[in-house]
Amino acid sequence: NAGVMQNPRHLVRRRGQEARLRCSPMKGHSHVYWYRQLPEEGLKFMVYLQKENIIDESGMPKERFSAEFPKEGPSILRIQQVVRGDSAAYFCASSAPGLAGAGEQFFGPGTRLTVL
Amino acid sequence: AQSVTQLDSQVPVFEEAPVELRCNYSSSVSVYLFWYVQYPNQGLQLLLKYLSGSTLVKGINGFEAEFNKSQTSFHLRKPSVHISDTAEYFCAVNRAGANNLFFGTGTRLTVIP
Repeated sequence: NAGVMQNPRHLVRRRGQEARLRCSPMKGHSHVYWYRQLPEEGLKFMVYLQKENIIDESGMPKERFSAEFPKEGPSILRIQQVVRGDSAAYFCASSAPGLAGAGEQFFGPGTRLTVL
Repeated sequence: AQSVTQLDSQVPVFEEAPVELRCNYSSSVSVYLFWYVQYPNQGLQLLLKYLSGSTLVKGINGFEAEFNKSQTSFHLRKPSVHISDTAEYFCAVNRAGANNLFFGTGTRLTVIP
């Protein structure tokens, strides 16, 4: 049973370009979470999605960031017009319905975004 | 809102010595508490969690943590560390039944041979 998959593992972008980060949840999981880890900091919640729905985006920056989890395919975190401050590790987690609040979030290996 | 404080950013300890990583939280409602470990260039792995019941929680790799409601703490302990325990450890909390986790800033444990 494959775990949470994220790709790419490393992504380099120049200022102003777009970054697309992908997350495939564990088999049977329909809930996806995105977290951002800035250097020397803990993970900060960004957004929580279920299939075709954004449930909680209270941690998402108001501009340039968007997320989706379509009916088919992986969840995508999209960052438009990247700036150097977007450089961070972005982690995806997934859970089965009803278990997320009990800590049953399984994390992917992360995508490390570097903005030049 | 919930928040988590990890008082020590770095903890060096000799191999086979005991270790305690401290975690304090603040919340006005019931919470669930977690410890995660992150090895270099990897994602987070759940070590243990407290949901309810016994305040002493045992996890993987010989770690345990004790929930202390009066002191709002959830310190992580291991009686004898190994080189392989070198990693970053994160304490996290969420409101009971909520979906998003609040993480501390992490403690880097370095085990010295």
